[in-house]
Amino acid sequence: NAGVTQTPKFRILKIGQSMTLQCTQDMNHNYMYWYRQDPGMGLKLIYYSVGAGITDKGEVPNGYNVSRSTTEDFPLRLELAAPSQTSVYFCASGEPGLQETQYFGPGTRLLVL
Amino acid sequence: AQKITQTQPGMFVQEKEAVTLDCTYDTSDPSYGLFWYKQPSSGEMIFLIYQGSYDQQNATEGRYSLNFQKARKSANLVISASQLGDSAMYFCAMREAYTGANSKLTFGKGITLSVRP
Repeated sequence: NAGVTQTPKFRILKIGQSMTLQCTQDMNHNYMYWYRQDPGMGLKLIYYSVGAGITDKGEVPNGYNVSRSTTEDFPLRLELAAPSQTSVYFCASGEPGLQETQYFGPGTRLLVL
Repeated sequence: AQKITQTQPGMFVQEKEAVTLDCTYDTSDPSYGLFWYKQPSSGEMIFLIYQGSYDQQNATEGRYSLNFQKARKSANLVISASQLGDSAMYFCAMREAYTGANSKLTFGKGITLSVRP
């Protein structure tokens, strides 16, 4: 049981390049989330999904896209990378419910130069 | 207005002593949940403790306890008998509205805790 896995761990992009951050969970959770964490700050929600085929915007969705074709996978796509997207990206999964905790992946550190 | 406020810039505690990390929150929803997460220097987010708005007692998990003062809208984390491994960033988070589509966490900016030997 690996929990939530993310790839890559670290990536350097040039301005204008695109990439996909991968996220996979093996806990059969319906809910999945993408957050970004800027230096010295808390996590901000980018996108989330309540099940396969269903996604919705979070607090900071601009510049990103997501898809959810399976329960396990929730990739995050960056189109036309900008320096403002330099951050650490966390994927998380969980179940609906007030006291249900979210399980986080190890994070992807992205640097856009 | 910020939903989660963590104003302590950084905290220091001597090993084996107790420390309190402050968190205040803002919500008009009568039903909500409060969480604390630990983020060590390695970067992963580790769930520590949960407190529900209707819980009558303060939550405890081993050396972690949550001092929940509902009227003051505060949910402070208390770590007893600090250990060197407790040095990390600590985040308070809240989930509002017990509905499936809104099962989202809002995080504070975090507090850095350093444990001195």
